[in-house]
Amino acid sequence: KAGVTQTPRYLIKTRGQQVTLSCSPISGHRSVSWYQQTPGQGLQFLFEYFSETQRNKGNFPGRFSGRQFSNSRSEMNVSTLELGDSALYLCASSSPGISGNTIYFGEGSWLTVV
Amino acid sequence: QKEVEQNSGPLSVPEGAIASLNCTYSDRGSQSFFWYRQYSGKSPELIMSIYSNGDKEDGRFTAQLNKASQYVSLLIRDSQPSDSATYLCAVGAWGGNTPLVFGKGTRLSVIA
Repeated sequence: KAGVTQTPRYLIKTRGQQVTLSCSPISGHRSVSWYQQTPGQGLQFLFEYFSETQRNKGNFPGRFSGRQFSNSRSEMNVSTLELGDSALYLCASSSPGISGNTIYFGEGSWLTVV
Repeated sequence: QKEVEQNSGPLSVPEGAIASLNCTYSDRGSQSFFWYRQYSGKSPELIMSIYSNGDKEDGRFTAQLNKASQYVSLLIRDSQPSDSATYLCAVGAWGGNTPLVFGKGTRLSVIA
C-alpha cells in the first residue's frame, strides 16, 4: 500500500513569490492535515481537510491556504512568500473510521525562500 | 492553549542501555497518545500509539501512559546507534476531529 506522497520534495523560491505543494494521501484515507516544521518552532498545525471541507485551522496568516479534491488529494498554497516561510512542510493522512486519529506523514516538501 | 512538553535533550545513552523519553501534556481531556521518530532530514514516522493507562510493548519499545499525572513515556530497550533520532510526542482527542498537538521532540544519541 503506497504511503503519503508529496511533491515537490525540494524547492527554492524568492521572497514575494507564491508556492503550491501537493499531497496524495494513503489510499482510502479521507483526512489530510498539513504541518510546518522549523527548528525553532517544531511541528505546527496548519489546517486539516476532510471530505473536501476544511475541518480545522491552525494559527497561521491568510497567506497560507489549502484545498482538498474529491479524490482526497490536497494542495496547500503560500502566497507572498517571506524568508520565515522556509521550512519543511509535511502532509499527513488519516482515516478516522479505521485508525482513529493516527496520522501518517509523507516525506515532506523542503521549501527555501531566498 | 494545549501544550505538550518534552526535554529537548540531547539524551545520550550507551549502546545496549535503556533509553527513557518523557512527555507531559496540559489537556486533561486528551485520549490518544503517539510517539514518532524523526531522523535528521526525514519526516516523522509512527512508532507507537497508546490510549489506555499502563504499558504497551512492541518489540524493543514500551510506551507508558499515566493520565492522572498527564504523563507519557517511551522506553527503548537494548538501544542501538540506529535509534539515534529525535522522538516526538503527540497528543490528541479521540475521533480524529481535532488535530494532534506535538511536542518539540527529544534528541536521542546512542553511543556505540
